[in-house]
Amino acid sequence: DAGVTQSPTHLIKTRGQHVTLRCSPISGHKSVSWYQQVLGQGPQFIFQYYEKEERGRGNFPDRFSARQFPNYSSELNVNALLLGDSALYLCASSSLADANTGELFFGEGSRLTVL
Amino acid sequence: DAKTTQPPSMDCAEGRAANLPCNHSTISGNEYVYWYRQIHSQGPQYIIHGLKNNETNEMASLIITEDRKSSTLILPHATLRDTAVYYCIVRVAGNTNAGKSTFGDGTTLTVKP
Repeated sequence: DAGVTQSPTHLIKTRGQHVTLRCSPISGHKSVSWYQQVLGQGPQFIFQYYEKEERGRGNFPDRFSARQFPNYSSELNVNALLLGDSALYLCASSSLADANTGELFFGEGSRLTVL
Repeated sequence: DAKTTQPPSMDCAEGRAANLPCNHSTISGNEYVYWYRQIHSQGPQYIIHGLKNNETNEMASLIITEDRKSSTLILPHATLRDTAVYYCIVRVAGNTNAGKSTFGDGTTLTVKP
């Protein structure tokens, strides 16, 4: 089975631009979460979607938004990019079958550089 | 989620056991201890989790103190490929909670030949 896949793997944007990052969860996984990881720090929770509904939101500004599609894939959108948005954006999925485990499966991330 | 405290870095000799501590003194009765690791430039990888009993799998062992205020992840025979950042997370189980994990800055384990 394919793992969590993310695209693009690397991208460069300039301040003020908009970016869309994409994530495909493991087949059968209905929960998708997004994390931001700034260099040298641990991942910070941004959003969780479960069954296409937002189930949690971290402490991020409204410039950050996300959605989940009927096939459970997800997009993270960031508007009006700032230099501080430069980070590795990680997507993670989990399965109903792991209800008592809560194991998260992470993708390799999208490395965003804002110039 | 309860807060965790981990040492920023540790070294271990190849072939020896690596013991990574984590303090979680404010842990609640329904919160589990999870461990993940992140090898450079990759996404975090689940290692093991536990509630109050010691746990072992093919990757590692998890020792949780009786009062549950601290735990230790043990890699029994560390290899160079175990060099990574190790994160200890405390949270309620279940996939609806899994996605909202709070990661600290973790422990950077360096395995040396």
